[in-house]
Amino acid sequence: DSGVTQTPKHLITATGQRVTLRCSPRSGDLSVYWYQQSLDQGLQFLIQYYNGEERAKGNILERFSAQQFPDLHSELNLSSLELGDSALYFCASSVDLISGNTIYFGEGSWLTVV
Amino acid sequence: GQNIDQPTEMTATEGAIVQINCTYQTSGFNGLFWYQQHAGEAPTFLSYNVLDGLEEKGRFSSFLSRSKGYSYLLLKELQMKDSASYLCASDRGSTLGRLYFGRGTQLTVWP
Repeated sequence: DSGVTQTPKHLITATGQRVTLRCSPRSGDLSVYWYQQSLDQGLQFLIQYYNGEERAKGNILERFSAQQFPDLHSELNLSSLELGDSALYFCASSVDLISGNTIYFGEGSWLTVV
Repeated sequence: GQNIDQPTEMTATEGAIVQINCTYQTSGFNGLFWYQQHAGEAPTFLSYNVLDGLEEKGRFSSFLSRSKGYSYLLLKELQMKDSASYLCASDRGSTLGRLYFGRGTQLTVWP
């Protein structure tokens, strides 16, 4: 158990819908990352937050958004869902932004769009 | 995966030693991670290298050559439970902690 908690674990929804994925980082970790893993792409960085502020954006679609709240939990919002958005979405956290700090991954949220 | 190259598949037998190689883009390089991932599960941290040389952790060791943009993960005394995907990831650029992952090397350990 990495200490990073993600909900829901599994989600099935229809195209065009909107879902919210939730992440609680490890206690004391200020930095939160979201990654997408699909069968044909591998792990792709989406976005990073540090202590409530957005720090970096990767391959995140405009239909997707995220935020980190004062209690440091984070949410990833996926809207106007398409079949291709079906993937495993991981949240990860680390203590801070110093290089080398271990980045711990949650168990992931399986999203299936039908 | 932003120029992370690693073999797609490898096989080995129980008790053997296997070396999984990884090459990466050196520009803006901060450090190199290795993760283990079983299908449908979270990646689990194995090692982190920032300086040249070999880091040993029990049955697993990881090596880095910054000048060559090269790393390897060495697994000794292989066990069936080591069958998994091994992900090489580089920490690059000014935003520390943003990882660029390879596609992973699927290791199968046979009895």
